[in-house]
Amino acid sequence: GNSVTQMEGPVTLSEEAFLTINCTYTATGYPSLFWYVQYPGEGLQLLLKATKADDKGSNKGFEATYRKETTSFHLEKGSVQVSDSAVYFCALDNYGQNFVFGPGTRLSVLP
Amino acid sequence: ETGVTQSPTHLIKTRGQQVTLRCSSQSGHNTVSWYQQALGQGPQFIFQYYREEENGRGNFPPRFSGLQFPNYSSELNVNALELDDSALYLCASSLSLGGTYEQYFGPGTRLTVT
Repeated sequence: GNSVTQMEGPVTLSEEAFLTINCTYTATGYPSLFWYVQYPGEGLQLLLKATKADDKGSNKGFEATYRKETTSFHLEKGSVQVSDSAVYFCALDNYGQNFVFGPGTRLSVLP
Repeated sequence: ETGVTQSPTHLIKTRGQQVTLRCSSQSGHNTVSWYQQALGQGPQFIFQYYREEENGRGNFPPRFSGLQFPNYSSELNVNALELDDSALYLCASSLSLGGTYEQYFGPGTRLTVT
């Protein structure tokens, strides 16, 4: 079956530090991959996506590259801000039949 | 363009009762999915509706049921509530099926079962 694995949190960084949140997946075929962010007390917001191998999704300084050879979609940001503190979810969608989320990684950025 | 809305925001029910949660899709979206997010966990897929038909279902018992209406709004019904049903229930709509279509999430309904 389809599954998503993320690095366990919480991740605590100082402002302007480099961020990496690892995500690997298991799926048949060629799923689309997503990163969603959830701020406290809110629903999920799409952060970025990639729909085929070697695609790079980017938004608000965050980037992730769809690596089929390593079945990975790691999230990176060069310089985090306090406002980036949230829970980040990696997810896959296999032809619209089923959307699978990882367990989430909580990020705390300290001033 | 209005986003995805859900009602109610919070709900408290007693074990054994039934509950109905509602979702209004983003304008123009014909696909809606429901998710259960337990505290500290990622959302779990419950089911998806496409043009009023159930299109896929996750590992949830039949007491979780749904409807999609001609205007593409949707309901999630849960019968015989159990304590473990306490969670945030998220609705998401998309323009159509397929992985290229983004899902837009509502703010969720927080259900507490006592």
